[in-house]
Amino acid sequence: GEDVEQSLFLSVREGDSSVINCTYTDSSSTYLYWYKQEPGAGLQLLTYIFSNMDMKQDQRLTVLLNKKDKHLSLRIADTQTGDSAIYFCAESMGPRNAGNMLTFGGGTRLMVKP
Amino acid sequence: DTGVSQNPRHKITKRGQNVTFRCDPISEHNRLYWYRQTLGQGPEFLTYFQNEAQLEKSRLLSDRFSAERPKGSFSTLEIQRTEQGDSAMYLCASSRNIDNEQFFGPGTRLTVL
Repeated sequence: GEDVEQSLFLSVREGDSSVINCTYTDSSSTYLYWYKQEPGAGLQLLTYIFSNMDMKQDQRLTVLLNKKDKHLSLRIADTQTGDSAIYFCAESMGPRNAGNMLTFGGGTRLMVKP
Repeated sequence: DTGVSQNPRHKITKRGQNVTFRCDPISEHNRLYWYRQTLGQGPEFLTYFQNEAQLEKSRLLSDRFSAERPKGSFSTLEIQRTEQGDSAMYLCASSRNIDNEQFFGPGTRLTVL
């Protein structure tokens, strides 16, 4: 079955880089996503990567994908207090396959200390 | 506001009562999803519509749960004979057929006493 796992908690100092890790088991995953959830709010898509890519960079965010090890990471450069939130890794088979339902990890709570 | 909206935002009910939630997707989105998120967990897929057709249902969706999207626009999720284990945040998301991004609503938090 599908399984997506993340560590529960990460604490960093403001200005440092944060690295949030995720592992998944479904080798047919086509797209891998990072979502952000702030208290009382819905999920916000930060970025996604197609499975034939190794890296994707978007401003302060860098996504690295190791497909062989089924390992995904999200690096946030120059972490700010506003980045404090829960970050979810998710995978799907893509919008052209079977509805593109997302399978989420349990989330990593990022705490940024001033 | 052109985002996904959900109503009510909070619902407190007694065990055994029926509840209904509504989701209004982004207007041009033909795909609509329901997810459930319990405390400290990631969202779990419940069901998905393409236009008015319900194309996929999770094993999590027991026969007490029913979802509709009668005109391919808004959707309702009904839970009959609620149980304490139904307490969760119910999230709705929508997307276009060709897009990867699912836009999530703020959720309806259900508490069953």
